Amino acid sequence: QSALTQPASVSGSPGQSITISCTGTSSDVGSYNLVSWYQQHPGKAPKLMIFEVSKRPSGVSNRFSGSKSGNTASLTISGLQAEDEADYYCCSYAVSSPYVFGTGTKVTVL
Amino acid sequence: EVQLVESGGGLVQPGGSLRLSCAASGFTVSSNDITWVRQAPGKGLEWVSVLYSGDSTYYADSVKGRFTISRDNSKNTLYLQMNSLRAEDTAVYYCARSQQLGHGFDMWGQGKMVTVSS
Repeated sequence: QSALTQPASVSGSPGQSITISCTGTSSDVGSYNLVSWYQQHPGKAPKLMIFEVSKRPSGVSNRFSGSKSGNTASLTISGLQAEDEADYYCCSYAVSSPYVFGTGTKVTVL
Repeated sequence: EVQLVESGGGLVQPGGSLRLSCAASGFTVSSNDITWVRQAPGKGLEWVSVLYSGDSTYYADSVKGRFTISRDNSKNTLYLQMNSLRAEDTAVYYCARSQQLGHGFDMWGQGKMVTVSS
């Protein structure tokens, strides 16, 4: 099972919106609405930000939202803040794996 | 407090074995799906193995036949037995909980470093 494809880096200024893409195949992202997103600060464990494509766990800011179209899922961060600077990973349920992570995206707040 | 606490990491020679433990508090491991995820130094997250609440187990191709995931309900603890370790297994290993298939990994342990080197 190959890793899902994410851009290596995305940047934005405070207050702006950014979108991170996560591209898979019809065997993972395209077949299931079971995509989750994780935020990871340096030296820390990942934190769940989105599950089932677009649902937010309790306590996660509504500035984070998720969507999916075909084989590509997306995470949008609106009103970008300095604390959002971190690595972000998508993860999908998959036919064969059963889970596969994305390659990861480093978000920089300019 | 609801948490996962890992133990058992360290330095091991290539070909050696190591067992990681993941102790849960505040919830019952047998009622949840518990996954191991690893992260090599400077690299991304890699899914390793899962033990579903229904007792099914699955492994990434990279560890299949070498790693074994298991659970001790009396100790509310999950284990990852790692045999025939290779340099490429060097990583921080995290255990993580999913309360339902596809609901995401909503709780993570602090991570344990495993270094395979001579």
